[in-house]
Amino acid sequence: DGGITQSPKYLFRKEGQNVTLSCEQNLNHDAMYWYRQDPGQGLRLIYYSQIVNDFQKGDIAEGYSVSREKKESFPLTVTSAQKNPTAFYLCASSIRQGDFYEQYFGPGTRLTVT
Amino acid sequence: SQELEQSPQSLIVQEGKNLTINCTSSKTLYGLYWYKQKYGEGLIFLMMLQKGGEEKSHEKITAKLDEKKQQSSLHITASQPSHAGIYLCGADNNAGNNRKLIWGLGTSLAVNP
Repeated sequence: DGGITQSPKYLFRKEGQNVTLSCEQNLNHDAMYWYRQDPGQGLRLIYYSQIVNDFQKGDIAEGYSVSREKKESFPLTVTSAQKNPTAFYLCASSIRQGDFYEQYFGPGTRLTVT
Repeated sequence: SQELEQSPQSLIVQEGKNLTINCTSSKTLYGLYWYKQKYGEGLIFLMMLQKGGEEKSHEKITAKLDEKKQQSSLHITASQPSHAGIYLCGADNNAGNNRKLIWGLGTSLAVNP
């Protein structure tokens, strides 16, 4: 089955540690995205990548880094510089449908930093 | 910048009842997406609307984009417990190199058996 996988589902880290969240897709989609979801704030875009070896900052990129070395993979590193890293992180990929892009989401990773 | 407002914020209905969720944009909608999310899980794509007056259905869920393309409504007929979750609308900002989806805050739906 094609889809997007995120691992792990739950992640716990101590403050001051960097942590990397995995996102893999076998949908052959070109574009991939990372969102952060917090209660009462909706989805906020962290980074996105439209093609391998290229990515752009979203609305809240500070304290995060990404890489896109393979079409299938778009890992997100939450660095110690991110002031409020505890959140639910969602990865998505998109396929072009005419003039539009339909985004499909992974199951998410809940990160807790204490 | 474009903003999406969803109403109501939350909704509790009895199983079998119909309900409507609205998504209102501060600007003309270029493309409007509806997603459903179970708590703690990813978003499931429901449907996408682009033309004024367009209506699409997915099982017992129907979404419509108004003629002026500034509001979309999502209607569930004969609700079931499986419809419970958070419904989010997203709008394509059609902003060239900074193209992305703008999101509403979601409507939380509970369906009592």
